[in-house]
Amino acid sequence: KNEVEQSPQNLTAQEGEFITINCSYSVGISALHWLQQHPGGGIVSLFMLSSGKKKHGRLIATINIQEKHSSLHITASHPRDSAVYICAVRSGNQFYFGTGTSLTVIP
Amino acid sequence: DSGVTQTPKHLITATGQRVTLRCSPRSGDLSVYWYQQSLDQGLQFLIQYYNGEERAKGNILERFSAQQFPDLHSELNLSSLELGDSALYFCASSAAPGTWGAQYFGPGTRLTVT
Repeated sequence: KNEVEQSPQNLTAQEGEFITINCSYSVGISALHWLQQHPGGGIVSLFMLSSGKKKHGRLIATINIQEKHSSLHITASHPRDSAVYICAVRSGNQFYFGTGTSLTVIP
Repeated sequence: DSGVTQTPKHLITATGQRVTLRCSPRSGDLSVYWYQQSLDQGLQFLIQYYNGEERAKGNILERFSAQQFPDLHSELNLSSLELGDSALYFCASSAAPGTWGAQYFGPGTRLTVT
């Protein structure tokens, strides 16, 4: 059983669409991260959340601690958003990762 | 550019061999994390160091070891390599010690074991 589950696994969207990626986890956490991995392999940390909501540009991340669920939203999606988005949580001294959501945004 | 450097970029070696991967954190960051990303297992946390001391340990095999030096760079040593060790190895750094603060990832080292 995976401690972190993401959905969907794959997502294709038209440019301009609103996108939601979901993450559910089964362990107690101190923080949740959203990571972006580009086709070339590089990883960028987008958000770190322990409660509430954060916004950066067109990206919004929310977390519901009681429901053990987080969402990453992308507004007005653009082809350059095409990447794999990975949800990761810290639980105690351990870190668990989702398997990622592969997003393709078509012009 | 995250400010985290990793060398080498690519490494091809044979089974049974030993390799060392190097990571230099962002200036001022005291924490270094090592991760393995393989096709079948995804991203996995290996180990964290903070200011030279081991802080947290994940799914790191006994054949693997790491250390962080006084100048804060870190090395990940992989020995008795097996085909299944082929993966991308990332290091990341952060200013935060015990909590998992914002992390900055290096470009990764792609290890191929033949």
